[in-house]
Amino acid sequence: EAGVAQSPRYKIIEKRQSVAFWCNPISGHATLYWYQQILGQGPKLLIQFQNNGVVDDSQLPKDRFSAERLKGVDSTLKIQPAKLEDSAVYLCASSFTSGGGQETQYFGPGTRLLVL
Amino acid sequence: AQSVTQLGSHVSVSEGALVLLRCNYSSSVPPYLFWYVQYPNQGLQLLLKYTSAATLVKGINGFEAEFKKSETSFHLTKPSAHMSDAAEYFCAVTANTGFQKLVFGTGTRLLVSP
Repeated sequence: EAGVAQSPRYKIIEKRQSVAFWCNPISGHATLYWYQQILGQGPKLLIQFQNNGVVDDSQLPKDRFSAERLKGVDSTLKIQPAKLEDSAVYLCASSFTSGGGQETQYFGPGTRLLVL
Repeated sequence: AQSVTQLGSHVSVSEGALVLLRCNYSSSVPPYLFWYVQYPNQGLQLLLKYTSAATLVKGINGFEAEFKKSETSFHLTKPSAHMSDAAEYFCAVTANTGFQKLVFGTGTRLLVSP
């Protein structure tokens, strides 16, 4: 079974530029998550989708970050314009059903973003 | 709201020694607790999880953790460290009622020396 796929793996941009990350979850997984992991910290949930609907985006900086999951499969996370503090690893995860508390989340390898 | 505290950002052990990584949680409702491992340049992989079935939870690669409600702890142990155990370990918590996001600790880097 293929795992969660993410691209690109690395990205370097200058501040005020825009960037997009792509995630393809495990086949059949209804719930998709985007996390931000800043160096030295644990992952922080940015947004959670169930199928193509948003369940939680309370920690997404909506003035510059946007995400979509059209057709309820793969997803794109965009930052526009980027700031220095956006330098982090962006992790995508998926889970099989509704994202209930005990459900295991499966993580992709992440996209490492450096904003100069 | 839930939170976890991982004591020690770095833990060093010798190969063959006991591994003990500490995690204390805070939750106003019964929690679900998780340990994830992250190898360099990789995503997180589930080691084990507590979902209220049994307080002693066994995971992959010889790791186990014990849920102690009285101490609000969920420490991760392994009897004998291997060089391949060197990685970053994250404790995480969520609630077992309704929808709650998974909240991670700041992580503990395990260093294993020969």
